[in-house]
Amino acid sequence: GIQVEQSPPDLILQEGANSTLRCNFSDSVNNLQWFHQNPWGQLINLFYIPSGTKQNGRLSATTVATERYSLLYISSSQTTDSGVYFCAVKSTGTASKLTFGTGTRLQVTL
Amino acid sequence: GAGVSQSPSNKVTEKGKDVELRCDPISGHTALYWYRQSLGQGLEFLIYFQGNSAPDKSGLPSDRFSAERTGGSVSTLTIQRTQQEDSAVYLCASSLAGEQFFGPGTRLTVL
Repeated sequence: GIQVEQSPPDLILQEGANSTLRCNFSDSVNNLQWFHQNPWGQLINLFYIPSGTKQNGRLSATTVATERYSLLYISSSQTTDSGVYFCAVKSTGTASKLTFGTGTRLQVTL
Repeated sequence: GAGVSQSPSNKVTEKGKDVELRCDPISGHTALYWYRQSLGQGLEFLIYFQGNSAPDKSGLPSDRFSAERTGGSVSTLTIQRTQQEDSAVYLCASSLAGEQFFGPGTRLTVL
């Protein structure tokens, strides 16, 4: 099946700093989503971005499907950005399931 | 409108007992998914429903696991004869046209 790798696995930032999270995948996809899992375990949708670039406030994401990677940018980080960020993809060959990466754990400190 | 809801939020059971977990998808969403999140395995797919049928059950770990969906809406995941390795957070998601939205999960602890 498709492999999804996220980097870095852990990241510590001071409030106000910027960061880039990366997601590499091993096969063609027709769905790619970024999630933020908050301390209570809820998966919050950030972006649905099988290709192209999107922005939402301080967050933006870019997926280059032909090169099999996606990037999530966080600018001017805040303590509320802390948590785990997951990339999940649906392979073009499957009808249904998302395959998740192992996540990037972000801690934003004062 | 309301998001995906799941019940119970927490379930503690004894090894060997059966448990039922419930998922209410977003109204109108035709696709429903079950995943589970455990420390050793990360987030993994269990089963996918389109309407009331399940074209992909490939993630169910054993025949102790089953799921059904009725009326194209509510789904129940049943685990029979629970084992300690079944302890995990069980997440439900629904979608209409690609993007999946997740519920808050049910934390299952098997003693």
